Order: sequence, then structure tokens, then C-alpha cells
Amino acid sequence: EAGVVQSPRYKIIEKKQPVAFWCNPISGHNTLYWYLQNLGQGPELLIRYENEEAVDDSQLPKDRFSAERLKGVDSTLKIQPAELGDSAVYLCASSDGPDLYEQYFGPGTRLTVT
Amino acid sequence: QKEVEQNSGPLSVPEGAIASLNCTYSDRGSQSFFWYRQYSGKSPELIMFIYSNGDKEDGRFTAQLNKASQYVSLLIRDSQPSDSATYLCAVNQGDMRFGAGTRLTVKP
Repeated sequence: EAGVVQSPRYKIIEKKQPVAFWCNPISGHNTLYWYLQNLGQGPELLIRYENEEAVDDSQLPKDRFSAERLKGVDSTLKIQPAELGDSAVYLCASSDGPDLYEQYFGPGTRLTVT
Repeated sequence: QKEVEQNSGPLSVPEGAIASLNCTYSDRGSQSFFWYRQYSGKSPELIMFIYSNGDKEDGRFTAQLNKASQYVSLLIRDSQPSDSATYLCAVNQGDMRFGAGTRLTVKP
């Protein structure tokens, strides 16, 4: 069984530029999560999807971050414009159920904003 | 106040010893608890979960939960150098909250 797929793995951009990350969850997993992880910290939830519905986006900085999961499968997270403080690893995870069952993480995208 | 707290370490144990990792949480309504292992530069990998008070064993790993004390721990028996990683505690508090992790080093 294929795991969670993310791309790109690494991204370097200048501040004020836009950037997008893509995630494809494990087949059959209806719940998808986007997390941000800073060095030395645990992942912090940005948004959670049940199928195509965003059910928890309270921690998503909506002035510059947006996300979509149009067909309830893969998802895109966008930052526009990026700031220096956005440099982090962006992790996508999926789970087989809405009740925060065991989550499986993708390899992450390491973003560097210069 | 942090919702999920872990000792950041580093915790160093000799090969073959028992490593004990601890986690406390603030929300008494938390229902499920997870331990993830994260190697440097890699993403978190689920190793155990526990829902009920008491112990749960899986191979060399034992998770212990005490809801009255709001405490969850992970024991690793017969520690191996390959166990050297950061261990993240995660708690379902309506959404998943992660601790900052404890860095474990197992010395040969």
C-alpha cells in the first residue's frame, strides 16, 4: 500500500512570492490533515478535511494561507505571499476515519523563505 | 500553558537498557493518546496508541496511560541504537495536539 505522497520535497523561495504544496493521502483515507512543524517542535495542525469539507481550519492564517481538497482526495496548501517566518516543514497526514484515528504522515515539504 | 508537555531531553541510555519517555497533558477530556517516532530529517511514524487506562504492549514497546494523573508514558525495552530518535507524544483533545518531543540516544 502506498503511503502519503507529498511534493515538492524541498522548496526555496524569496519572501513575498507564492508557493504551493501538494498531498495525496493513503487510498481510502477520507480524513486529511496539514501540519506545520518548526525545528525542535511538534507538528501543529493547520487544517483538517473530512472528504472535501474543511472541518477544522481555526489555526490556518487565512490572510495568507489557503487550502483546497476539491474532489475529496488530493489536496493543495498555498501561501501567498510567503514571509520569512513561514520557513518550516509542511506535513500532510491522513487517517481512516473522522475521529482522529491513527494518522499517517507523508515525507513533508521543507520550505525555506529567503 | 502548554497542552502537551514532554521533557525535551536529550535522554541517553546504554544499549539493552529500558528507555522511559513521559508525557503530561492538560485536557481531562482527552480520549486517545499516540506515540510517534521521528528520525532526524524524516516525518513522524506512528508506533503506538492507547485509549484505556493501564498498559498496552507491542513488542519491545509498552505504552502506559493514567487518565487521573493526566500522564502517558512509553517504555522501550532492550533499547537499540536504531531507537535513537525524537519521540513525540500526541493527544486527541478534539484535535490532535503534539508535544515538542523527547530526543532519545541509545549508546552502543
